[in-house]
Order: sequence, then C-alpha cells, then structure tokens
Amino acid sequence: DAGVIQSPRHEVTEMGQEVTLRCKPISGHDYLFWYRQTMMRGLELLIYFNNNVPIDDSGMPEDRFSAKMPNASFSTLKIQPSEPRDSAVYFCASSSTGVIGETQYFGPGTRLLVL
Amino acid sequence: GIQVEQSPPDLILQEGANSTLRCNFSDSVNNLQWFHQNPWGQLINLFYIPSGTKQNGRLSATTVATERYSLLYISSSQTTDSGVYFCAVERHEGFNMRFGAGTRLTVKP
Repeated sequence: DAGVIQSPRHEVTEMGQEVTLRCKPISGHDYLFWYRQTMMRGLELLIYFNNNVPIDDSGMPEDRFSAKMPNASFSTLKIQPSEPRDSAVYFCASSSTGVIGETQYFGPGTRLLVL
Repeated sequence: GIQVEQSPPDLILQEGANSTLRCNFSDSVNNLQWFHQNPWGQLINLFYIPSGTKQNGRLSATTVATERYSLLYISSSQTTDSGVYFCAVERHEGFNMRFGAGTRLTVKP
C-alpha cells in the first residue's frame, strides 16, 4: 500500500481564499484523523471519522473549517475563508480500528501558508 | 485541561550515546503515546504506554502512572533517531490527545 496520501503537499494562498486539503487513507482503514501542527499550539487533533462519519469535531477551531468524508477512500478539509493564522502543517492519519493505542499511520502533511 | 511537559526541550548527542526523554503530565491518563517526527516532518507512532514498560529494539518506554510521568529511552543512538519526540496524553480512552511541545533530538555522527 502507498500509505496515507495527502494533496497538495504545499499550498500558498491569499487571505480570504478557499483552501481544500485532500486525504486518501490506507485502504481498509476505518478511522481517519485530521491534525494541525503550528509553532504556537503544537499538534492538535481537529476531527476524526469512523466509517466516513464524523465522530468528534471538538478540535475544529471555528466555522471556517469543515471536513467531509464522502467515501472510505477520500476526505477533505476545507477552510473558507482562509486567514494568515491558519498557516500550519495539516496531517491526515488513518488506522484500521478504533482500538486506543493502535498505530495511526500519518500522511506526509500539507504545508499551508496563507498570506 | 491536562498539561503535558516534556524535557529537555533540546538534546544533542554523539552517535552511540544513550538518552532519556521525560514527559510529565498533570492528571491521570488512560491513553499515553510517544511519537517521533523525523527532520522531514514524517510522524510515526512509537509506543502506546499508559502504564508499564515496553521495548522495541533500541527504544523503550516506561510510564509510572501513579507519579504522572513517562520516560522514553534511546540506546546506542543513531543519526536516524534525530527529530522531535512528542508525548501525547488523554484522560479518557479517546483520541483527543494533548501533545507536549516535544524534545528535539540531534544525533551527530
């Protein structure tokens, strides 16, 4: 398997623009996680899905952020409108079951810069 | 919320040396994990260790839950061990872990 795939790897946009980040989890994995990493706040879980259903979105910072998982092989994280403080590295991860402590496999991340 | 403190913040070692990284947390936890982020940004799980001791090759981890700390041991360090090591904890058996600020390890050849 190719592992978790994220696109784009880098994104530079201007404040106010819509940004869509994409993730393809490992085939057969039922859980998908979106994380954000910034210098100020470190690593944070934004939202996670089980079988395409959002389970916990308490980490989503505000209404400008939305995440969807229309099928088992694809998820998006959208920011609209984007702001400079959204600049961060966004990671997607997947795991095969919801057993706590089971290995999460991380994608390479999308480095977002909002000017 | 729960506080996580990692020490030291930075560590520089010569290849072959051993090291101990520490994670202190402010409340009881049911989920504690160690992660490694390599210099290219890739994150990997190392250990799930809410209590007890585990070993995986040159790496081992011990969590003393009653005293609210965990230790990550790296023996015979290699340059490929370089990167940032994060400890993450969660009070309940869930996924919304609180990450520490990390220990940045540099192993010199």
